[in-house]
Amino acid sequence: GIQVEQSPPDLILQEGANSTLRCNFSDSVNNLQWFHQNPWGQLINLFYIPSGTKQNGRLSATTVATERYSLLYISSSQTTDSGVYFCAGLSQGGSEKLVFGKGTKLTVNP
Amino acid sequence: DSGVTQTPKHLITATGQRVTLRCSPRSGDLSVYWYQQSLDQGLQFLIQYYNGEERAKGNILERFSAQQFPDLHSELNLSSLELGDSALYFCASARSGDTQYFGPGTRLTVL
Repeated sequence: GIQVEQSPPDLILQEGANSTLRCNFSDSVNNLQWFHQNPWGQLINLFYIPSGTKQNGRLSATTVATERYSLLYISSSQTTDSGVYFCAGLSQGGSEKLVFGKGTKLTVNP
Repeated sequence: DSGVTQTPKHLITATGQRVTLRCSPRSGDLSVYWYQQSLDQGLQFLIQYYNGEERAKGNILERFSAQQFPDLHSELNLSSLELGDSALYFCASARSGDTQYFGPGTRLTVL
């Protein structure tokens, strides 16, 4: 079945540092999304990125579908970046359910 | 703001009770999805509706049911509640096959 694995599980940074989060996914994924869950529990869409590279401010993401991985880059981190970052994939073959990884918990210290 | 609304934000109830969670999708979105986030199981897909019809089922217990109404809002009904049902329940909406946008969630506590 579809599997989504994230690393590292935990990450602690000083404000201003850069970081890279990784998501590996199994075959049969035709859609990849990155989310940020803030400390209040809200799930915020960051990127819909089945392939290629996208940037949004200090965040960017790259998906290499042929090698089944995606990377989320956070540059010049801020304390407000703290929270859990999830990647999630849609299985091919008609199902539209998202399968989530276990997340990377990011703590940015001032 | 994703445009998806969920009510209530918090719900505290006792074991054995029944509750209803409500979701209004973004304008124009025909698909509604329900997900459960618990500490031990993570984020799991429960069920999807598309334009009033059930389209896909995930790890949804028989004690749980859902429906989507003609105005496209959806309700998730949880009955015979157990302590283990305590979780954050999310609703998401999308145009078919597109990015899913999540509501703020309903935090259910079963005492």
